[in-house]
Amino acid sequence: GAGVSQTPSNKVTEKGKYVELRCDPISGHTALYWYRQSLGQGPEFLIYFQGTGAADDSGLPNDRFFAVRPEGSVSTLKIQRTERGDSAVYLCASSLLAGVPTDTQYFGPGTRLTVL
Amino acid sequence: QKEVEQNSGPLSVPEGAIASLNCTYSDRVSQSFFWYRQYSGKSPELIMSIYSNGDKEDGRFTAQLNKASQYVSLLIRDSQPSDSATYLCAVNSPNSNSGYALNFGKGTSLLVTP
Repeated sequence: GAGVSQTPSNKVTEKGKYVELRCDPISGHTALYWYRQSLGQGPEFLIYFQGTGAADDSGLPNDRFFAVRPEGSVSTLKIQRTERGDSAVYLCASSLLAGVPTDTQYFGPGTRLTVL
Repeated sequence: QKEVEQNSGPLSVPEGAIASLNCTYSDRVSQSFFWYRQYSGKSPELIMSIYSNGDKEDGRFTAQLNKASQYVSLLIRDSQPSDSATYLCAVNSPNSNSGYALNFGKGTSLLVTP
């Protein structure tokens, strides 16, 4: 079956602009996660959705970052007033069950964001 | 702060040898442990998961967990050049919001030489 998909694969924007990154999870997966990976680092947790609600947004670096998942499937990560330090690969992952520690997270291909 | 530590490498092993990758974690209540493989420019791919103390084998891969020492490792037997990648250790700890976000190490770069 289809895996996690993310669009766009690459996004180049100018400092101060607004961007939206989209994630389409595996069909039927309840939990959805956003991570950010900078060069030479492991992925860093941003936000976790259980269904439609953001159950944990403690990883969002500041209020310029916001994410939604209005129908419990597709999610959009929104970044306002982008800064050069926001440049990274943004990864989305989904898992079948929410709130289960042994549940496996499957990652999408990521969106490479470059802020000039 | 919950930390996951890995040696960044690179770890270089000859083809056919055993590669040993190590990881330590700081959160004693961690419940689940995962090894992901990441090729350059690609997203993480799950290799192994382990939840109980001891060894878990899957083909050429063996994961080892010691919760008392807060240590998890991955052994790759008969290493192949195609195993050359970055290996990410991830630890899953409960939080007050019932989330199980993964806490990743920085990864160990493995190079298998022909």
